[in-house]
Amino acid sequence: EPEVTQTPSHQVTQMGQEVILRCVPISNHLYFYWYRQILGQKVEFLVSFYNNEISEKSEIFDDQFSVERPDGSNFTLKIRSTKLEDSAMYFCASSLGGQGGTEAFFGQGTRLTVV
Amino acid sequence: AQTVTQSQPEMSVQEAETVTLSCTYDTSENNYYLFWYKQPPSRQMILVIRQEAYKQQNATENRFSVNFQKAAKSFSLKISDSQLGDTAMYFCAFMKHVAGNTPLVFGKGTRLSVIA
Repeated sequence: EPEVTQTPSHQVTQMGQEVILRCVPISNHLYFYWYRQILGQKVEFLVSFYNNEISEKSEIFDDQFSVERPDGSNFTLKIRSTKLEDSAMYFCASSLGGQGGTEAFFGQGTRLTVV
Repeated sequence: AQTVTQSQPEMSVQEAETVTLSCTYDTSENNYYLFWYKQPPSRQMILVIRQEAYKQQNATENRFSVNFQKAAKSFSLKISDSQLGDTAMYFCAFMKHVAGNTPLVFGKGTRLSVIA
């Protein structure tokens, strides 16, 4: 069964460093998302991506964040200068799209720890 | 803006029993989708069940069923014959119905423990 894969599963980084979280969405999906979940809290939307551009973003997704689909298969989230409060689980998701309401398939997440 | 509220932070149920998790939401939209996602200790988000707001019939998936009350903006999840593998966080989520896809709005989750 096709699945969304994320790497790495866990990343530890120094405050102020740049990190890139990687995702391989399901191959025929058209919509891609990043969500984050701070430990013990709810899952929050960061950004959605369609047709090679950002389609929607939340207030959390400020200038420190960027997304890219560099080669038609990977979908990356970059945090330019990490802060302690960026420590969270980051989930990538993809969906087929079309009529709307189609299932979003989630990856297993990347646990980011900023020290 | 849409909001999703799950009023039960934690619940427990005996194995083989039935449990109902509550979810209410607030929206001015008439067409939308509602979902229940399961997050086991592995942390992966897994879709449990999906409901289209324009359908009156409640969705069912094997041991999982929903009670969708559109007027009351309520969307509860019933798990029948609970199994130890059902132990997880359960998140209720809302999605607007527009062309293309829109982000999910999640509730804070209910931690369900199934006890042997």
